[in-house]
Amino acid sequence: ETGVTQTPRHLVMGMTNKKSLKCEQHLGHNAMYWYKQSAKKPLELMFVYNFKEQTENNSVPSRFSPECPNSSHLFLHLHTLQPEDSALYLCASSQNYQTDSRSYEQYFGPGTRLTVT
Amino acid sequence: TQLLEQSPQFLSIQEGENLTVYCNSSSVFSSLQWYRQEPGEGPVLLVTVVTGGEVKKLKRLTFQFGDARKDSSLHITAAQPGDTGLYLCARHGAGSYQLTFGKGTKLSVIP
Repeated sequence: ETGVTQTPRHLVMGMTNKKSLKCEQHLGHNAMYWYKQSAKKPLELMFVYNFKEQTENNSVPSRFSPECPNSSHLFLHLHTLQPEDSALYLCASSQNYQTDSRSYEQYFGPGTRLTVT
Repeated sequence: TQLLEQSPQFLSIQEGENLTVYCNSSSVFSSLQWYRQEPGEGPVLLVTVVTGGEVKKLKRLTFQFGDARKDSSLHITAAQPGDTGLYLCARHGAGSYQLTFGKGTKLSVIP
C-alpha cells in the first residue's frame, strides 16, 4: 500500500459514455498528478495540481477534464473518448517542499485500466 | 525535451544471475529516482539519489549516481523471480517538481 488509492481498477466504456476516475491520497501531500501509461510509451504527465490549483496541462484533449476539490482528492472526468485513449491511468502525489529534493518523490496509486470500445 | 534513455529495453535472465540496467541523459539531474512497476500496478519508489557519485543499497539492489549527475545505474545481485517488473528512472530538473520518466527496462527473472 502506497497511501494512494484509485477507483475503479478496471473500466470499460463506450465512446459516447461519461465516466469519472477517482484518486485519494492519505499521505498529507500537497501535489497530485494524473499520468497516462500506454504500451511502448513512457509515462505521460497529463495534469498537475499543487495546493488544489492546476499548474500543468500537458496539451491534453478536452475530453479529459480534471477536478481537484481538495488536496486529498483528484478526479478525471472522461467524455467522448476514443479507442486510442485506452491505457493505464495513474494517479500520484508528492509533498513538494522546494528546498528538499526528496519531497518531490511521487507515490503512485495502482491505476485504472481503461478500455474504450 | 530532456530525455532519459534507459537500457536495455528488455532483459531476461535466470534466477541467481546478476544484472545492471542504466539510465542516461545529456543534461544534469537535480536528483534521480528509481521505481519498480509490476504488471497491473502503479510504480513503487525504490530510491532517490541526489549527490554525484552517491551509492545506495537496498538489500540486493545497488544504485549508483554518476559523478557528473548525468547517469545512473541499478545493479541487482542474485536476481530472484520477485524482481521481475518494469524498472523506471525519473528525474526532475532544477526548479521543477515535475518528473520526467524514461521508457523503462522490462526485467524477467526466470525460475
